[in-house]
Amino acid sequence: GAGVSQTPSNKVTEKGKYVELRCDPISGHTALYWYRQSLGQGPEFLIYFQGTGAADDSGLPNDRFFAVRPEGSVSTLKIQRTERGDSAVYLCASSAGQADTQYFGPGTRLTVL
Amino acid sequence: AQSVTQPDIHITVSEGASLELRCNYSYGATPYLFWYVQSPGQGLQLLLKYFSGDTLVQGIKGFEAEFKRSQSSFNLRKPSVHWSDAAEYFCAVAAATGANNLFFGTGTRLTVIP
Repeated sequence: GAGVSQTPSNKVTEKGKYVELRCDPISGHTALYWYRQSLGQGPEFLIYFQGTGAADDSGLPNDRFFAVRPEGSVSTLKIQRTERGDSAVYLCASSAGQADTQYFGPGTRLTVL
Repeated sequence: AQSVTQPDIHITVSEGASLELRCNYSYGATPYLFWYVQSPGQGLQLLLKYFSGDTLVQGIKGFEAEFKRSQSSFNLRKPSVHWSDAAEYFCAVAAATGANNLFFGTGTRLTVIP
């Protein structure tokens, strides 16, 4: 079956602009995760959804970052007033349930000029 | 606080040689442990995981890992490396109390020379 998909694959924006990154999880997976991977680093956790609700958003770096999952499937990560330090690959993962194996998408590479 | 250390940033091995990638973790409770591989332009792929039971875990692509609680280690091994194994390898840990987020190490880049 289809894996986790993310769009766009690449996004270039200017400092101060607003961006939205989309994640389509594996069908039927109730848990969805966002991670951020900076160059030369491992992925860092941002937020975890169980169904429609954000069960853990402790990894969001500040209030410019926000994520939604209104129908318990597709999720959108939203970044306001982007800064050059936001440049990274944003990874999405989904799992059948809490504590199950996480399957990752290919990521969205965000570049803030 | 939890942390994962992968002390080797870059490893080069000859095709056919054996491989061991090191991973040490610091965690206050019994952890779940994972190894993921990331090839250029590809998403992270799970190689293997340890939740409980037998401390020697078999994974895909001929990889195995051994959990050593006394050493807080979860090293990844392969007896004979193939050129297609060249990639970035990440060790990760999650709470066994209901794993949500994964904590990743900084990764080890593997180069395979013919």
